[in-house]
Amino acid sequence: DTEVTQTPKHLVMGMTNKKSLKCEQHMGHRAMYWYKQKAKKPPELMFVYSYEKLSINESVPSRFSPECPNSSLLNLHLHALQPEDSALYLCASSQASGPNTGELFFGEGSRLTVL
Amino acid sequence: QQQVKQSPQSLIVQKGGISIINCAYENTAFDYFPWYQQFPGKGPALLIAIRPDVSEKKEGRFTISFNKSAKQFSLHIMDSQPGDSATYFCAATPGGGFQKLVFGTGTRLLVSP
Repeated sequence: DTEVTQTPKHLVMGMTNKKSLKCEQHMGHRAMYWYKQKAKKPPELMFVYSYEKLSINESVPSRFSPECPNSSLLNLHLHALQPEDSALYLCASSQASGPNTGELFFGEGSRLTVL
Repeated sequence: QQQVKQSPQSLIVQKGGISIINCAYENTAFDYFPWYQQFPGKGPALLIAIRPDVSEKKEGRFTISFNKSAKQFSLHIMDSQPGDSATYFCAATPGGGFQKLVFGTGTRLLVSP
């Protein structure tokens, strides 16, 4: 069982809708990530929060809006998306400091379809 | 410089055979090299990782070989099993705080029974 929980598992939305993806972890990690993964491609980093502060925004369009309400929760607010935004959205967490381990803990993802 | 090149794109191996996936990098700032395994419908999960001052690391049937001078590293899966059928991503990270992973392009492995 994954220790990073993402909801919903599947989401279908129209281009005018507003929806949110949610992620929760209880491993005490202070870094949380959003990745986007298209079919047969590697995950692409979108955002990184470290100690609840946005540390990396990989030039993601403003129709994606991340939020980190506390150290356990990470949201991704979606608005006015395009069909090409359809993808698997992965949340991950890790230690935010200390020795490099190369380890991210991924959730199972939210499969988003934009009509 | 940020790229990690991975080959082959796909691989079919018979049960009991050896699966080999290769990766190469340019950025000498990378200081940790993990491999991730992803099954359909699941998120990636760390399989095994290596530091650049180690030439080989083995965990069960999985071995990473690392050649620092050539900036190449590879994953060997011994006695491959149908349950190993998945997509494998090599990655590299420069470290320092949170994980800034750069993923390879992925290899889809199919182990035939």
